[in-house]
Amino acid sequence: DVKVTQSSRYLVKRTGEKVFLECVQDMDHENMFWYRQDPGLGLRLIYFSYDVKMKEKGDIPEGYSVSREKKERFSLILESASTNQTSMYLCASSLRDRGDPYEQYFGPGTRLTVT
Amino acid sequence: GENVEQHPSTLSVQEGDSAVIKCTYSDSASNYFPWYKQELGKGPQLIIDIRSNVGEKKDQRIAVTLNKTAKHFSLHITETQPEDSAVYFCAAPFNQAGTALIFGKGTTLSVSS
Repeated sequence: DVKVTQSSRYLVKRTGEKVFLECVQDMDHENMFWYRQDPGLGLRLIYFSYDVKMKEKGDIPEGYSVSREKKERFSLILESASTNQTSMYLCASSLRDRGDPYEQYFGPGTRLTVT
Repeated sequence: GENVEQHPSTLSVQEGDSAVIKCTYSDSASNYFPWYKQELGKGPQLIIDIRSNVGEKKDQRIAVTLNKTAKHFSLHITETQPEDSAVYFCAAPFNQAGTALIFGKGTTLSVSS
């Protein structure tokens, strides 16, 4: 069974703090993804990575950065948290094979509140 | 880039009825269209997908149809049950490699018994 775990289910941070959200997958997947989910806006892609140290911008990368130093771990970084980054953050992973899209496996999410 | 529109945003049906959710996409080169189901408190989970070389795919009570000419695809759930109540998302490839997905805004399906 594929397992994607996220470091926290709930997180409360203050405006201006540097925030790290961690994601770990245990199935040796090449691709990893970060999304944010807001009511009425669905899932929006922030960043994704197809290999260690590789990253690609998604639809809404502004205000975020990512780090992938090991294959199983993908971190989302909010350099200076703002209230409009209050959201549910979902991590996912998938296989990569000749670029064919594969099923994405999602973690349970981290609900981040910035006050 | 690709854009995915999903309708309706909410859908209420009686147990046993059918439910249909529709999505349109903008990039005619897109060739992969998955549907994800998100239950309360959980991450989304793939329930069915279709590639552009077929027009319809079925898996028990769920089916997906694809009309490439019109650039739209639909999820059909027959004989709905209360456990079908969830948020459903359609998606299409975000990039040409298909590595990432762009999702619709979701449909909240409520099945009442």
